[in-house]
Amino acid sequence: RLQESGPGLVKPSETLSLICSVSGGSIRHSSHYYTWIRQPPGKGLEWIGNVFDGGHASYNPSLKSRLTISVDTSANQFSLKLTSVTAADTAVYYCVRTAEWEVADFRSWGQGTLVTVPS
Amino acid sequence: NFMLTQPHSVSESPGKTVTISCTRSSGSIATRNVQWYQFRPGSPPTTVIYENDHRASGVPDRFSGSIDSSANSASLTISGLKTEDEAVYYCQSYGAGVVFGGGTKLTVL
Repeated sequence: RLQESGPGLVKPSETLSLICSVSGGSIRHSSHYYTWIRQPPGKGLEWIGNVFDGGHASYNPSLKSRLTISVDTSANQFSLKLTSVTAADTAVYYCVRTAEWEVADFRSWGQGTLVTVPS
Repeated sequence: NFMLTQPHSVSESPGKTVTISCTRSSGSIATRNVQWYQFRPGSPPTTVIYENDHRASGVPDRFSGSIDSSANSASLTISGLKTEDEAVYYCQSYGAGVVFGGGTKLTVL
């Protein structure tokens, strides 16, 4: 099971920080990709990035300059930090675990959390 | 990168069968696996179909997936429709990056 947490409102130019708590399996030495996906209101799904094998991260090129995804194995959590946010970053953010060894087979999803950046 | 195109909405009556298409714009649909996800309000999204035609754990056999290389598309078919199947369904594949379809709203009325 995955559960997102973090503030629902972030001011423009500040940093959006979210945590995904993972239960039902250890994130350490895992064969799954731990992923963030978002969906702006009324729009489609966008892959943000992932972390694998305890620390190797891959990012959407369009967000890479502002993005950090990392893992806290002691807390069995992974996190997202997106800097210099604008209203365009308003979205429901999902944390997702892929199938084993599959970078793009999104098998388990969190409930999603709405983050609003006012314009 | 390619695009995946889905119908914006479909509707059908309970007990009937509906098929949702997902057409790949360029490159072969068979190149990479296609997944299907169900988004229902108030619930976490769930995987319905993975690897083109494999039902995810707990998904009833009323749901099936397939690909058609001649049409360059994937399809999700739901038979014996129930009101609980009402949701938005997204197809997804992978190329230069992750690609999602635009989603299809299924109404069961």
